[in-house]
Amino acid sequence: GAVVSQHPSWVICKSGTSVKIECRSLDFQATTMFWYRQFPKQSLMLMATSNEGSKATYEQGVEKDKFLINHASLTLSTLTVTSAHPEDSSFYICSARMVAGGPTDTQYFGPGTRLTVL
Amino acid sequence: AQSVAQPEDQVNVAEGNPLTVKCTYSVSGNPYLFWYVQYPNRGLQFLLKYITGDNLVKGSYGFEAEFNKSQTSFHLKKPSALVSDSALYFCAVRDIEKDSNYQLIWGAGTKLIIKP
Repeated sequence: GAVVSQHPSWVICKSGTSVKIECRSLDFQATTMFWYRQFPKQSLMLMATSNEGSKATYEQGVEKDKFLINHASLTLSTLTVTSAHPEDSSFYICSARMVAGGPTDTQYFGPGTRLTVL
Repeated sequence: AQSVAQPEDQVNVAEGNPLTVKCTYSVSGNPYLFWYVQYPNRGLQFLLKYITGDNLVKGSYGFEAEFNKSQTSFHLKKPSALVSDSALYFCAVRDIEKDSNYQLIWGAGTKLIIKP
């Protein structure tokens, strides 16, 4: 149980294009989903927290107009990297928190999406 | 300030030997503590967590961790290492008194290498 999927697993795009990454909780409902970015050999950097049906909360330094997050349902959140540039190339990981999991709940992670912008 | 420290960038252990990956934390209130493992080019997999109760927590793949409040530590351990345990390990903490959005504070990660 508690499986989170991401699609695509990897994507290569040209500079200036937009890329959408989907994060789905497959066997549970997720009130909250988190989007992280991970650089090589580094820890996770939280980009934003999204709650179903409301606007995402972005961390300091993350451009909300560049990284659009939509959490339209309890099983799906999307991250759109708009007008991507080579510096946006990274490993993007989502995680989901179970509805009514309570304060002791666990974040379950997707497998990640490798974005390469040429 | 809230923080998590994993003092070792890399830990090398021979197969069959016991392993320990260290983690210390600093939060103002009571912590919820987590360990995750990441295999190359993959997302994170949950290993175990400490919420309350018994200080020794058992998790997936034979791993366990001991919560030590006086030393503010939550070291990950396994009695006998396998080559397949080689991966990147992350410790994370949630300060339940400060955080209302269930965010985790992450350590920098420790690369565990198990040699045959």
